[in-house]
Amino acid sequence: NAGVTQTPKFQVLKTGQSMTLQCAQDMNHNSMYWYRQDPGMGLRLIYYSASEGTTDKGEVPNGYNVSRLNKREFSLRLESAAPSQTSVYFCASGGTASLTGELFFGEGSRLTVL
Amino acid sequence: GQQLNQSPQSMFIQEGEDVSMNCTSSSIFNTWLWYKQDPGEGPVLLIALYKAGELTSNGRLTAQFGTTRKDSFLNISASIPSDVGIYFCAGLFSNDYKLSFGAGTTVTVRA
Repeated sequence: NAGVTQTPKFQVLKTGQSMTLQCAQDMNHNSMYWYRQDPGMGLRLIYYSASEGTTDKGEVPNGYNVSRLNKREFSLRLESAAPSQTSVYFCASGGTASLTGELFFGEGSRLTVL
Repeated sequence: GQQLNQSPQSMFIQEGEDVSMNCTSSSIFNTWLWYKQDPGEGPVLLIALYKAGELTSNGRLTAQFGTTRKDSFLNISASIPSDVGIYFCAGLFSNDYKLSFGAGTTVTVRA
């Protein structure tokens, strides 16, 4: 049982390049989330998907797009990467009780934009 | 996003010590949660609190949901080396999917 799987784990981009972070969960959860973690700032929500077919903006959505491909998969795309998007990105999922705040996180994707 | 103020920002522990950290907010939350992040890993849920005044334990961890619903604390008793990591508080409003996180308390073993 893998839980939440993120790929890639590490990526270096040049300013202006695009890339997609992939996330898949095998727990049959309804809701999925993308957070970014920066030193001293905790985890900030970028986008979330309450259920298959829906997506909504979080606290820091600018510069990102998401796709809820199916119930298992939720991808995060950077269309034109900027140095300010250097961060560690976490995908998370929540079950039918996701309104309780109980989330399961992946191991993170470490992105550097030069 | 909602501002959660976590303190202390960092702390050093010695094996066997009891440690305490807390989280305050200007907003009233329906749910308070505490997560721990080990180096190189994603956060893992430690304790969830759903009622004002609730006190919940998970092994050597004890957390309380403040009666004003604007604060929570986490105690770790008899620290062990594997307690090092970053501890995050998080708050959730009623009928909301968006969890708000504090900036974290980094726990390190004192040399």
